[in-house]
Amino acid sequence: SQQGEEDPQALSIQEGENATMNCSYKTSINNLQWYRQNSGRGLVHLILIRSNEREKHSGRLRVTLDTSKKSSSLLITASRAADTASYFCATARAGSYQLTFGKGTKLSVIP
Amino acid sequence: NAGVTQTPKFQVLKTGQSMTLQCAQDMNHNSMYWYRQDPGMGLRLIYYSASEGTTDKGEVPNGYNVSRLNKREFSLRLESAAPSQTSVYFCASSSGTQVRETQYFGPGTRLLVL
Repeated sequence: SQQGEEDPQALSIQEGENATMNCSYKTSINNLQWYRQNSGRGLVHLILIRSNEREKHSGRLRVTLDTSKKSSSLLITASRAADTASYFCATARAGSYQLTFGKGTKLSVIP
Repeated sequence: NAGVTQTPKFQVLKTGQSMTLQCAQDMNHNSMYWYRQDPGMGLRLIYYSASEGTTDKGEVPNGYNVSRLNKREFSLRLESAAPSQTSVYFCASSSGTQVRETQYFGPGTRLLVL
């Protein structure tokens, strides 16, 4: 079953704009991770945020976590054409050793 | 340092045929995983190996077997392929022994079962 669900399913923006993707989940988590997948490639880890953290930054990426709303957001600032990819959230549920991936948000950055 | 490598990159099978997907990592990671990705879907865990010598079922293990050959290698076998196993298969690894850690993925194997 899908634990994390990303929203929107697809997003198209102009280069230089910010992109925001959201992830909602259903049960308590140990951590939440964001991954990027370029077309035809494997997934690349972007950032991990633990359940006791509220915000993390990595370069142009900002991730927030609201455990009371069971949701997370990924913000990519000043987007570039190279950011065009699918973005997945993955949740590590408390008490489970499995990572559960959402269906992803497909981001298109138009030059 | 190649990271996680997978072979083959692409394979076509007929229903009922068998094959083994190979995966190797050179990062001295303890844990390894096999996922499948279907169109419009996220990744689903097939099997994982928390450490050398151990394997456990994931969300969708039916129709598959795995072998953790040594610390570096983790293979996935389809004994009798079915069209429902047409998918892209990803191998991943992580440094510790818990699945919920950061994972490093291979490039994938595209499998078509006719």
